[in-house]
Amino acid sequence: EPEVTQTPSHQVTQMGQEVILRCVPISNHLYFYWYRQILGQKVEFLVSFYNNEISEKSEIFDDQFSVERPDGSNFTLKIRSTKLEDSAMYFCASSGQGPGANVLTFGAGSRLTVL
Amino acid sequence: GIQVEQSPPDLILQEGANSTLRCNFSDSVNNLQWFHQNPWGQLINLFYIPSGTKQNGRLSATTVATERYSLLYISSSQTTDSGVYFCAVPPAGNMLTFGGGTRLMVKP
Repeated sequence: EPEVTQTPSHQVTQMGQEVILRCVPISNHLYFYWYRQILGQKVEFLVSFYNNEISEKSEIFDDQFSVERPDGSNFTLKIRSTKLEDSAMYFCASSGQGPGANVLTFGAGSRLTVL
Repeated sequence: GIQVEQSPPDLILQEGANSTLRCNFSDSVNNLQWFHQNPWGQLINLFYIPSGTKQNGRLSATTVATERYSLLYISSSQTTDSGVYFCAVPPAGNMLTFGGGTRLMVKP
């Protein structure tokens, strides 16, 4: 079964450092997403991306966050200057087109720890 | 925005027992997904079920869209079923809003 692949699985960084989380969505999917889960809390939507631009974003997705699809396979989330409260599990997801656009497949997550 | 409430918040079962998890949502939706988050934090798709009933092994799900709820049934529970179960619905577009989850512990 096709998978969404995320790297790294765990990253530890110092406050103020830049972090890039990487995702390889399912190959024929057109919609890409990032979600965040702070330990013990709900999974929260950050941003969706379609046709090489952001289609929706939440209040959490402020100026320190950016997304990019640098080539035909990768989808990245950059956090410019990390803060302690950015510590969370970050999930990438993708979905197809037509009826499949409604069905999101999630990656295994990247755990970010900011010290 | 749409509200998604799950119950119970916590559930402890003896291995072999059956259980029903509930997801209520406050507005009409055209999609609902159930996920299992395992102890390692991975989110695993269980069901895409905007309406009707689906079964996959010991798990089944029913969504009654007109009454704005969905149920996830776990039969003959196993210790590997432990984790957090989330339902999620899209208030707009393909963006999903997650419920608070049901934390399940299955004891041997």
